[in-house]
Amino acid sequence: RKEVEQDPGPFNVPEGATVAFNCTYSNSASQSFFWYRQDCRKEPKLLMSVYSSGNEDGRFTAQLNRASQYISLLIRDSKLSDSATYLCVVNGWNSGNTPLVFGKGTRLSVIA
Amino acid sequence: SAVISQKPSRDICQRGTSLTIQCQVDSQVTMMFWYRQQPGQSLTLIATANQGSEATYESGFVIDKFPISRPNLTFSTLTVSNMSPEDSSIYLCSAEGDRGPTVSGYTFGSGTRLTVV
Repeated sequence: RKEVEQDPGPFNVPEGATVAFNCTYSNSASQSFFWYRQDCRKEPKLLMSVYSSGNEDGRFTAQLNRASQYISLLIRDSKLSDSATYLCVVNGWNSGNTPLVFGKGTRLSVIA
Repeated sequence: SAVISQKPSRDICQRGTSLTIQCQVDSQVTMMFWYRQQPGQSLTLIATANQGSEATYESGFVIDKFPISRPNLTFSTLTVSNMSPEDSSIYLCSAEGDRGPTVSGYTFGSGTRLTVV
């Protein structure tokens, strides 16, 4: 079983739509969780950390379910500029300074 | 966040040659990592660059092929040795974010796009 699994998409949605991405991870000892965004031919950039209580940043909401080893990202009121690949990322099963493990990413295209 | 300068941004190399990629961080960081991203794929960790000791390589990656240096807390290099077309990929370095890895994850350099012909 892969360590971090995501639906690869692509998700093609109209502007203004709400879209949700899901991710599962295999190592129950994982401690830190993130969503990264990667634009075409660019490096990944941190979108948001994911906290146990869930957290929101503007139009973006992240949820973590440790019991199910499941992470989600909800994007409301999608913009054309949200088009990118969204990477589910996990680390920390030994200590806080372990490398990141990336999912393969979910591609989102927001269409006018 | 920490700013990482990575160079070269791209190169086209002949098979059998070697290329050294450099990453400079604008602040001291404990951890630096090197990743590879093949076309259409996600990131795969090559190794952890340890300051003052040998790098720690992941399964499938060896020091003879990917020697790494980490002379201080702000700089690291990755060399891709004896290149073949299969080494064509994007190589990325990363370092911990400025609020620590558990809060701000890791920051990435802009990547080196390598094509081996």
